[in-house]
Amino acid sequence: NAGVTQTPKFQVLKTGQSMTLQCAQDMNHEYMSWYRQDPGMGLRLIHYSVGAGITDQGEVPNGYNVSRSTTEDFPLRLLSAAPSQTSVYFCASRSPRRYNSPLHFGNGTRLTVT
Amino acid sequence: DQQVKQNSPSLSVQEGRISILNCDYTNSMFDYFLWYKKYPAEGPTFLISISSIKDKNEDGRFTVFLNKSAKHLSLHIVPSQPGDSAVYFCAASARNDFGNEKLTFGTGTRLTIIP
Repeated sequence: NAGVTQTPKFQVLKTGQSMTLQCAQDMNHEYMSWYRQDPGMGLRLIHYSVGAGITDQGEVPNGYNVSRSTTEDFPLRLLSAAPSQTSVYFCASRSPRRYNSPLHFGNGTRLTVT
Repeated sequence: DQQVKQNSPSLSVQEGRISILNCDYTNSMFDYFLWYKKYPAEGPTFLISISSIKDKNEDGRFTVFLNKSAKHLSLHIVPSQPGDSAVYFCAASARNDFGNEKLTFGTGTRLTIIP
C-alpha cells in the first residue's frame, strides 16, 4: 500500500541549479497534481495532469515544468531554482471516474533554495 | 485573491469539548467542499466532504455544515480528542472551462486539543 511516493524528502539547492522532484503512485489514478505549501498561503496548485500525455497549468506554474509519460509518474522540474521556490511540495493523485473523489497526497518534499 | 478563507490561523480546545473550524468562500461556482487534515511531516489526508445540494454531512465525530447563502462552511468535531491536533484545510471545487475539477484550498487552521 505505497499510495503516493515522493522523493527526495529534503533538498537544498543553490540559486540557478536545476532539479527534479519525483512523484509516483501505484493506485492507477489518472489525475495527478503538484501543490506547494507556504506559510499563510495554504496549498496552491502548480501543475496537474488528467492522464498520460496531458498536462495543464495550475495557479502558480511559473518556474516549473512537468511531463506525464506514464500513468504512474509525474515529475516536477525546476529549471533554474530561485529563493522564492523555497517551499514544501506535495504531489497528489485521484481517480477522476468519481466526481470530486478525494486527493491522495504524498508526504512532501521540503525544498530550500539559497 | 483568496477565494477560500480560513480566518482563524489557530484554535485551542479542551479535550472532550466541541471544536468548530470555519471556512468562507467567495466563488459561487464552487459546488463541492472538502476538509483535509494534516499532521507534521505528512501529506494532507481527506476527512469529510459535502456537496452544495446538502447542508449537512456527518461521519462519526465529524460533521460539516454548509450555508450557501452565507458562503460559509464549518467543521464540527465532537468530542475533541488529542489525536485531532493537526492543521485542517478547507477546500472547494468547481469545474473549469475544460470540465475538469479545480480544487482551491484555504490557508489552514492549526487545531490544538488540550488534555
